[in-house]
This record gives sequence, C-alpha cells and structure tokens, in this order.
Amino acid sequence: EVQLVESGGGFVQPGGSLRLSCAASGFPFSIYNMDWVRGAPGKGLAWVSSISFGSDKTFYADSVRDRFTISRDNSKNTLYLQMNSLRADDTALYYCVKRGSGPRGFDSWGQGTLVTVSS
Amino acid sequence: DIQLTQSPSTLSASVGDRIIITCRASQSITTSLAWSQHKPGKVPKVLIYKASNLESGVPSRFSGSGSGTEFTLTISSLQPDDFATYYCHQYNGYPLTFGGGTKVEIK
Repeated sequence: EVQLVESGGGFVQPGGSLRLSCAASGFPFSIYNMDWVRGAPGKGLAWVSSISFGSDKTFYADSVRDRFTISRDNSKNTLYLQMNSLRADDTALYYCVKRGSGPRGFDSWGQGTLVTVSS
Repeated sequence: DIQLTQSPSTLSASVGDRIIITCRASQSITTSLAWSQHKPGKVPKVLIYKASNLESGVPSRFSGSGSGTEFTLTISSLQPDDFATYYCHQYNGYPLTFGGGTKVEIK
C-alpha cells in the first residue's frame, strides 16, 4: 500500500524558512515523479512543484519560483520542499503527491502538513 | 496557463441521486484529466485518470467522460460516503492546474 507521510510544517513568521519532508513507502520511490500541492483555507488546491524520478527535471509554480526548492533522496525514499522567504499567502496544507505511470496524473496523496505564516 | 472551470461549486443532493459535475478547460488537454475526492482530515483519493479510467478499488458508481475541453464526473447513485469535495486536475502541461472544486452536500 502506498504511504506518503509529510512532516516539517508549523508556524513561521513572514520571511522565515521551513523544510518539508515526505517519507514514502509501499512503492519503488526511485522510479516515480513526485509533486507538492497545497490547499489554502477556503481557496481550493494549487500545484506547487514537481520533480522527476532522477531529479534531473524540476518545475515550479510562478508564485513559488526562486523561493522554494524541491529535491529528493532516493536512497532514503524521501521528498523535500525547502521553503524560503515565506509569505502570508503561503499559508496552506501542503500535500506530497505521487505521479502515476504512463497516462496518469497524480495517483496517491499524503494527508498533508500545515504551514502557517503569520506575524 | 490552462484554466479549469468546475461547476457547480456546490451541489445539494440526496442518497440515491445521480449527480454530474462538469470541468471545462480553457484549451484542449486531450484526455489528460483526473478527478479526486477530498474530505477534511482524510487522505485525498484519486477516482478517475485519463478522463474516463477508474482507479483500482474505486466503486463503479463513479464514472468519467470527455476529451478536449469538456469533462464530466458522474456518480450514478450517491452514497453516504460520497459527500465530499471533488476536484478535477489537468496534467497536459505545466503549470499543472486544478478546478475550483465542487462540494457535494446532503440535501
């Protein structure tokens, strides 16, 4: 069974940093592309970033480019999101999401970790 | 960016009802569309991939259809466990985008 367990969320002041982690299990992590998606209260869902299985390709939403960095450690089955220069509008539940193979989009989600940016 | 417009935003229905949720894309995404179910405090669940393919383990009362710019998610007979928020998302190209969501409420 696929399991994605996020951690690292919390309360941070504007301008601060956080590093999210996602521990993956139940599937061969090193051969799947992975993503981060966030859901702000009352604002629906928004894709944040993607990384290819071999880390050679990364993609970012305009709203986080140059502030957030996605990475992964396939030896540890772990996905990361380094978040710098945090703003109030980054407040959201951050989900780790697995891509499916072939023609699938996302096929498995974690339960999310909450990031609150406030002074 | 490809915009996805979901309708309705809220839907009130009763157990046993057939409901249809629509997702319209601002440009063609062929069949690169998925539907997911979201409940507070629960892990989101993907229901449909590639517009019309049922994910493993998803009940057959769920179905998806469409291609290009018009897509639908149909629940043939609403069950108590189906009251949730549903999102479409496209993966035809970056940035990946989501519809605004449809909250299915008990009538």
